[in-house]
Order: sequence, then C-alpha cells, then structure tokens
Amino acid sequence: QSALTQPRSVSGSPGQSVTISCTGTSSDVGTYNYVSWYQQHPGKAPKLIIYDVTKRPSGVPDRFSGSKSGNTASLTISGLQADDEADFYCCSFAGRYTWVFGGGTKLTVI
Amino acid sequence: QEQLVQSGAEAKKPGASVKVSCRTSGYPFSDYFVHWVRQAPGQGLQWVGLINPGGGSRNYAHQFQGRVTLTRDTSTRTVYMELSSLTSEDTAVYYCARGIFGPVIYDHWFDLWGQGTLVTVSS
Repeated sequence: QSALTQPRSVSGSPGQSVTISCTGTSSDVGTYNYVSWYQQHPGKAPKLIIYDVTKRPSGVPDRFSGSKSGNTASLTISGLQADDEADFYCCSFAGRYTWVFGGGTKLTVI
Repeated sequence: QEQLVQSGAEAKKPGASVKVSCRTSGYPFSDYFVHWVRQAPGQGLQWVGLINPGGGSRNYAHQFQGRVTLTRDTSTRTVYMELSSLTSEDTAVYYCARGIFGPVIYDHWFDLWGQGTLVTVSS
C-alpha cells in the first residue's frame, strides 16, 4: 500500500488561508469517505482535527475544514495563526481493514 | 480521564524482537479498536496494524505481515505490539492510538494517542 501523496511543504502569512492536498487512488480516498487529518507539533503525538472528510471533533476551531473530490482530499486552514505551524497528515481507509497515511506536509506560518 | 500510556524507550540489536505496551484507562476497553502507528526519525506516519481488544481480532499492514504481532490482556486493559527480526529501518517512535468508529465498523479515526515509544535498533 503506497502512502497518500501530500505536498512536502506549504506556507502562509498570519490571517491567510492555505490548503493541503492529499491524493490517493480509487482503492482508498476515491472510494471511501473515511479520510481523517492530524496535526503534529514537533516532539508531540498527532492530534485529530478532521474525520469522515469534513467533520470536526469538538474543540477543533472551525478555521479547519475538509473536503474531497475524486481521489483527492483537502484540508483548508483559514485565518492562519502562528500556532498552526506544524506537520499535517491525512489518513484514509484502504480496504480490507487497512489504513494508509499521507507523507505529511510541513506548514510554515511566515 | 481517558488515556493511553505506553512503555518506555527500548534499545535493541539487529535481529532481536521488541514488545511495546499500551495501557488504556478511562473508557470501556472492549468498545474501541487500538491501532499502532510508527514514525521513523524525520519521517511521516506509517500504519502498522490494529486489534479489537474485545474479540482479539487483528490485522496488519502488508509490509509488516509475519513480523508484527498484536495482543491484548483484558485483565490489565493493555495492548501489546511485538516486532521481530529488527533492522535499523525499524528505528522509530511507535504510537498506539484509539480507533473510534462510526456507523460503519471500518470507518475509523484516531482520537486518542499514546505518548509514543522510541525503539532504537543499532549494533
């Protein structure tokens, strides 16, 4: 199972919006609406920020939103804040009770 | 308080095995799957496998088949991951994570994570 494809890095200024893409195949992202996103600060465990493509757990600001089109899921962060700077990972169900993560995207808030 | 607490860092030689524990608390042990995810230094997350603590069923990522074994002890609410035939490429932080699922049983997301266990493989 190959990792989902994410851009290695994205950047934005405070207050701006950025979008991180996550491209899979018809065997994972394209077939299942079971995509989740995680934020990981250095030295910390990942934190869930989006599940089921578009849903936010309680406590996650509505500045974080998710979407999907075809084989590509996307995470959009609006109103960028300094604390948003972190690594972001997508994850998708890949069939046969297996899951696959993306390679990760480093977000820099300039 | 819901939490997953993992065992401490391990240093192993190539060819050896390692067993990492993940003790759960604060929620019904049998109601949620536990997944294992690893992260090599400076690298991304990689899904290793999952276990259903209730019935004991498990599944593994293809690349770990034959080398990884997930088990659980219901009396201590602990899940274990054992990885054998270690090489330097297995050096990583290993996380356990609770798998919450929706109306469809394979619709999982990982809402609670352990603190991670660093496994270092070196001669």
